[in-house]
Amino acid sequence: ETGVTQTPRHLVMGMTNKKSLKCEQHLGHNAMYWYKQSAKKPLELMFVYSLEERVENNSVPSRFSPECPNSSHLFLHLHTLQPEDSALYLCASSQRTVSNYGYTFGSGTRLTVV
Amino acid sequence: AQSVAQPEDQVNVAEGNPLTVKCTYSVSGNPYLFWYVQYPNRGLQFLLKYITGDNLVKGSYGFEAEFNKSQTSFHLKKPSALVSDSALYFCAVRDRSSAGGGYQKVTFGIGTKLQVIP
Repeated sequence: ETGVTQTPRHLVMGMTNKKSLKCEQHLGHNAMYWYKQSAKKPLELMFVYSLEERVENNSVPSRFSPECPNSSHLFLHLHTLQPEDSALYLCASSQRTVSNYGYTFGSGTRLTVV
Repeated sequence: AQSVAQPEDQVNVAEGNPLTVKCTYSVSGNPYLFWYVQYPNRGLQFLLKYITGDNLVKGSYGFEAEFNKSQTSFHLKKPSALVSDSALYFCAVRDRSSAGGGYQKVTFGIGTKLQVIP
């Protein structure tokens, strides 16, 4: 375990379903990130929360809705997804501005949209 | 803007041979550089980082990386490859001068698949 826990590990959902991905960290980090990882593509930064405030939203479709209720938890709410949304969704955390450390990643949620 | 290039989709090496995974970067200022490894169905794990000081950085599992400012490169190396090193390797960069927004703006490469052949 890296200290960042993601649940569920695998998720299969229909295009009309609503589901949520959960990320939890107890590393004392105060910035949290959602990334999408698709085969043969660079990691795509989706959302960033710093001190529980959303500070970046990289043109992500509204069918993805993030939530950060506190510094330890991050959610990604999903609804009416498309098959092309199937991917590995990674959560990461870091200190906000301590620059000489990178991210700590969770193991990811493998999402399949059918 | 900052960017990372990993020119090889896949690197094959025989077990026991030295390995190199290439990375070049582009930043407007001075870089922080990172290598991460990803095993199947797992998240990315931190391997090593370059912040300042010695150009040769040592990290986990016997890996090291050499920072070359003139060539803007940060290649990952290991003297003797193991089958268990087979994984996906990501290079990442952050411009030291990038601040604001209250978070670390790290850019990742596309990843290089390392296959160590027994």
